Parts: sequence; structure tokens; C-alpha cells
Amino acid sequence: DAGVIQSPRHEVTEMGQEVTLRCKPISGHNSLFWYRQTMMRGLELLIYFNNNVPIDDSGMPEDRFSAKMPNASFSTLKIQPSEPRDSAVYFCASSLALVSQANTEAFFGQGTRLTVV
Amino acid sequence: AQSVTQLGSHVSVSEGALVLLRCNYSSSVPPYLFWYVQYPNQGLQLLLKYTSAATLVKGINGFEAEFKKSETSFHLTKPSAHMSDAAEYFCAVSPLEAGKSTFGDGTTLTVKP
Repeated sequence: DAGVIQSPRHEVTEMGQEVTLRCKPISGHNSLFWYRQTMMRGLELLIYFNNNVPIDDSGMPEDRFSAKMPNASFSTLKIQPSEPRDSAVYFCASSLALVSQANTEAFFGQGTRLTVV
Repeated sequence: AQSVTQLGSHVSVSEGALVLLRCNYSSSVPPYLFWYVQYPNQGLQLLLKYTSAATLVKGINGFEAEFKKSETSFHLTKPSAHMSDAAEYFCAVSPLEAGKSTFGDGTTLTVKP
């Protein structure tokens, strides 16, 4: 398997523009996570999907952020409008989580480095 | 509720010296615990995981961790540091049911020649 695939790897955009980050999880995994990593705040969980359904979006910073998972093999994280403080590395991760069984580990993508100028 | 505390945001060791990265957890039920490593400009990758089968867990690259319930700890060790071990290390705790893991703040390991 190719692992979790994120695109683009790098994104530079101007303040106010819409940004869309994309993620293809590992085939067969049923949980998907979006994280944001910054020097100041470390690794933050933004949103978590299970079987394509958003389970916990309490980490989404504000209404400018939205995430979708239209099917088991694709997810997007959108920021509209973007602001300089959104500059960070955004990671997507997937795992196989089964009811009444232990979580397996999360597999991370390479991340998207977003710079908003 | 669950949480993870990594003691020491930066650890520096000499090449060949013992590596000890500390992790304490809080969980209302017996947890599953993980250590991840992140190399520069890379995503996190799994080093090892504790799933209650054995308290001493061996991982990749010569790392191991011991689960100590009485101390609520899951410290990561390696007998002899290598330059290639320089990276950021994250401890994480996960519930038994399907759900999200909670990550610590990370510890940056520097290895001096």
C-alpha cells in the first residue's frame, strides 16, 4: 500500500484565499484524522471521522475551517478565508478501529505545509 | 478522559549514551499506548505500541518501552544513541474502543557526536 497520501505537499496562498487540502487514507481503514502542527501549539487534532461520519470536530478552530469525507477513500480540509495564523503543517492520518477491539496505530501522511502570506 | 504528559520538551545525549524519554499517562480505563517518531519534514511513524500483551515492548531501531501501571508511565529507552535517532518523539494514549488518540506535546531528541 502507498500509505496515506496528502496533496499538495506545499501550499503558499494569499490571505483571504480559499485553501483545500486533500487526503487519501489507507485502503480498508475506517478512521481518519486531520491534525495541525505548529511550533507554538504542537500537534492538535482538528477533526476525526469514523466510517466517513464526523465524530468529533471540537478541535476545528473556527467556522473558517471545514472538513468532508464524501467516501472512504477521500477527505478534504478547507479553509475559507485563509489567514496568516493558519500557517502550519497539516497532517492526515488513518487507522482501523473496530468496535470492542483495540485501536490500531494511526498511519500519518507526509503532511501539507501551508503558508498564508 | 485520557491525557499524556511528556516530561522534557528537549533531551540531549551524546552518541552512544542511553536515551530515556519520559511519558506519563492518565486514563480512566487500561489504555493502549504508543510511541511515534517524527523526522524533519516527515509525518509521524510508529515506533512501538503497548496493547497489554507484555509490559516490556520492543520497537523498531532498537527502542523499547516499559508499561508500569503503578507509576502510570510508559518511558521510551534505547541503550545506545545513534546520530540518526535525532528527531521528535511523541507519546500517545488511546482508548480501548474506537476513538481518537491523545498525543503528548513531543520531546525533541538531539544526539551530539
